[in-house]
Amino acid sequence: GESVGLHLPTLSVQEGDNSIINCAYSNSASDYFIWYKQESGKGPQFIIDIRSNMDKRQGQRVTVLLNKTVKHLSLQIAATQPGDSAVYFCAENNAGNMLTFGGGTRLMVKP
Amino acid sequence: ETGVTQTPRHLVMGMTNKKSLKCEQHLGHNAMYWYKQSAKKPLELMFVYNFKEQTENNSVPSRFSPECPNSSHLFLHLHTLQPEDSALYLCASSQGQAPNYGYTFGSGTRLTVV
Repeated sequence: GESVGLHLPTLSVQEGDNSIINCAYSNSASDYFIWYKQESGKGPQFIIDIRSNMDKRQGQRVTVLLNKTVKHLSLQIAATQPGDSAVYFCAENNAGNMLTFGGGTRLMVKP
Repeated sequence: ETGVTQTPRHLVMGMTNKKSLKCEQHLGHNAMYWYKQSAKKPLELMFVYNFKEQTENNSVPSRFSPECPNSSHLFLHLHTLQPEDSALYLCASSQGQAPNYGYTFGSGTRLTVV
């Protein structure tokens, strides 16, 4: 499932630190946003979602922030662990039931 | 396992071969999707099926032919592919037109065209 060869932005963090992954979305009419995690050899896995009537949503160790003014989405991971190493994608739902995906960010966690 | 199963996991085929990819979900979802994930581009939507009816064909070449016999199964029939079609092909499903939980993806089929 890895995006081998794709030149992805990479975020390298120390284990135990907090991670922030950013995403700019394109359509101001988008009303639903999702973060996915893709580990090597696997398909994307749902992490957390947020609707456009919210600015912030928290899950277990993850928080998604939505800034509609600048069309920006971020994923914060608290106390990053080696198992968090993966490629992270944001997605926006701007046409019915279809998602448009961003290019992804590779998170590397250093022990 | 996510509830979406794709087979085979890996496939190597020649340009003159015909093969099929299979996707199966038992999540009770009504919509199913094929995505292509290649080395040079982010996830690209190929086809959408909603209640077994194709609702989207994202300008995909005719050498890719989808089939959705029921809401639980989705196929992608491949013939006379090109080396640039080598990629990870991902199947996903969702609960109809108003997703509350986004898509559930399978693990993909890694296709290599030689």
